[in-house]
Amino acid sequence: KAGVTQTPRYLIKTRGQQVTLSCSPISGHRSVSWYQQTPGQGLQFLFEYFSETQRNKGNFPGRFSGRQFSNSRSEMNVSTLELGDSALYLCASSTGRGTDTQYFGPGTRLTVL
Amino acid sequence: GESVGLHLPTLSVQEGDNSIINCAYSNSASDYFIWYKQESGKGPQFIIDIRSNMDKRQGQRVTVLLNKTVKHLSLQIAATQPGDSAVYFCAEFSGGSEKLVFGKGTKLTVNP
Repeated sequence: KAGVTQTPRYLIKTRGQQVTLSCSPISGHRSVSWYQQTPGQGLQFLFEYFSETQRNKGNFPGRFSGRQFSNSRSEMNVSTLELGDSALYLCASSTGRGTDTQYFGPGTRLTVL
Repeated sequence: GESVGLHLPTLSVQEGDNSIINCAYSNSASDYFIWYKQESGKGPQFIIDIRSNMDKRQGQRVTVLLNKTVKHLSLQIAATQPGDSAVYFCAEFSGGSEKLVFGKGTKLTVNP
């Protein structure tokens, strides 16, 4: 069974631009969670989508948004990029049932110049 | 790259030794705990999990111990190998918050 895939793997943007990252979960998984990982803050939860609905949300500004499609693929968008948005963005998929294990993708490394 | 502002605890062991990585969690209502391993340039990889109704669980070369009284979790790696070098994260899940909260991580270095 294929694992979680994320595209693109690397991205360079400039301040003020927007970016869209994509995540394809493991086949059969309906939940996708997004995390931001930085050296200063560690792994921080952004949001979770289940069956095309945002089910949970972390403490990030409204510039960070996401969506999920009917095939469970998910995208996250960051608008008006700031230097501090440079990070590794990880998505994780699970069945979405209670405490089922989350499996992570390789991440998208975003650099904002 | 190395952490700036986030001082990761580090553990350095010799190949073949046993490693113990510790984690203190914050929410007494957390009912599910996971250990992840993250190698440089990769996403976190699931190692082992444990539910709050257990105090010990064993996998291949790994054992997780849970002490709910003091809210402490540990990961024991037997016969540590160079390939075990990575950052290890504990994560807690609370049914109340319905989300996974990660610890800061411990960097394990295995010396040949």
